[in-house]
Amino acid sequence: DADVTQTPRNRITKTGKRIMLECSQTKGHDRMYWYRQDPGLGLRLIYYSFDVKDINKGEISDGYSVSRQAQAKFSLSLESAIPNQTALYFCATSDGGMNTEAFFGQGTRLTVV
Amino acid sequence: SQKIEQNSEALNIQEGKTATLTCNYTNYSPAYLQWYRQDPGRGPVFLLLIRENEKEKRKERLKVTFDTTLKQSLFHITASQPADSATYLCALYYGNNRLAFGKGNQVVVIP
Repeated sequence: DADVTQTPRNRITKTGKRIMLECSQTKGHDRMYWYRQDPGLGLRLIYYSFDVKDINKGEISDGYSVSRQAQAKFSLSLESAIPNQTALYFCATSDGGMNTEAFFGQGTRLTVV
Repeated sequence: SQKIEQNSEALNIQEGKTATLTCNYTNYSPAYLQWYRQDPGRGPVFLLLIRENEKEKRKERLKVTFDTTLKQSLFHITASQPADSATYLCALYYGNNRLAFGKGNQVVVIP
């Protein structure tokens, strides 16, 4: 099993719909991140969490919300999806500290039509 | 905010040659810099981390340098192979332990 699992892997949704992307990890890490990746723009940080009670906005949090249900679970929601939220979304975890690597999930390809 | 720059143009290189990628950063002085590999449609995978007091770090055919005066890191793939074809991302922590990535630099190794 993968260390970081994202569901769904692919999703097509309509404009205005609410959608949740889920992430779970078996690494036992405290820190979890959500990124989106667009061609030419690279990985951009949406939200990050240092523990269940500590959630922080990243560079591009508008239009998104998150929930840290447990140490191992971090969900990203699009309250009312719009076409420019079409992107590849990645969840990542790390053990904390600036000398630690991040582990990424397989990604969720989201298309908003 | 932290700005991390990598060359947007793909690097095409002949098999067996050394590929060299550049990462420049501004507005922060990270104690560590990381490099990741990303294959199409997949999540980035960690390759190497280098500390500010390390001039060079090696792992098999990979070598990374870190020049804190120039605010630059170089990433080398020696004796490149077609399997090395991928996008390579540099990354660093800044601010409130945010992990930021460059846009990545694609490498294409030609047999």
